[in-house]
Amino acid sequence: QQQVKQSPQSLIVQKGGISIINCAYENTAFDYFPWYQQFPGKGPALLIAIRPDVSEKKEGRFTISFNKSAKQFSLHIMDSQPGDSATYFCAASKAYQLIWGAGTKLIIKP
Amino acid sequence: GAVVSQHPSWVICKSGTSVKIECRSLDFQATTMFWYRQFPKQSLMLMATSNEGSKATYEQGVEKDKFLINHASLTLSTLTVTSAHPEDSSFYICSASGQTGYTFGSGTRLTVV
Repeated sequence: QQQVKQSPQSLIVQKGGISIINCAYENTAFDYFPWYQQFPGKGPALLIAIRPDVSEKKEGRFTISFNKSAKQFSLHIMDSQPGDSATYFCAASKAYQLIWGAGTKLIIKP
Repeated sequence: GAVVSQHPSWVICKSGTSVKIECRSLDFQATTMFWYRQFPKQSLMLMATSNEGSKATYEQGVEKDKFLINHASLTLSTLTVTSAHPEDSSFYICSASGQTGYTFGSGTRLTVV
């Protein structure tokens, strides 16, 4: 019930393409769903987050789509750039508890 | 925005010695701080949660006598790896909970030789 399943494990996208990473959760008590970006040797940085009362949130090239009934949420990166190459983690949170996905290594090919 | 400063960014120590890692919230007060460990190509693993002025809560399987956590003020938490061994080599990351969510430090690469 506490797991967050993330897919794919790795992803290669051409520059300018759309990168899509998916996550699924079980616990309906989660009320905060962030996405983090991590570069090698650095800590994760918050990219974008959503609460379950909205179905979509967009910030620049990054969009979260949230499907409450399916208990799924996804990250879309539009016009993907080589600088977006990093590891992306989804997470789900409830009351200071943050449950992490396994991560997706994204490579943007120039 | 919220900033968490973590030091050192990397450290090499001899087996059997202790290493202290500091985590400071620079522009906000963090009543709750978290310590994570991350192995290569893996997700973050929560080690412990610390609240200012009280004892840390450790996750199952984490030795509290080995990984000493002190959260003496609203802006500072420390993790001390005692009697370090090569298997303790890892990437350690702190996080602080604030009004804008969770903010992470830049991590500490610990290598025990």
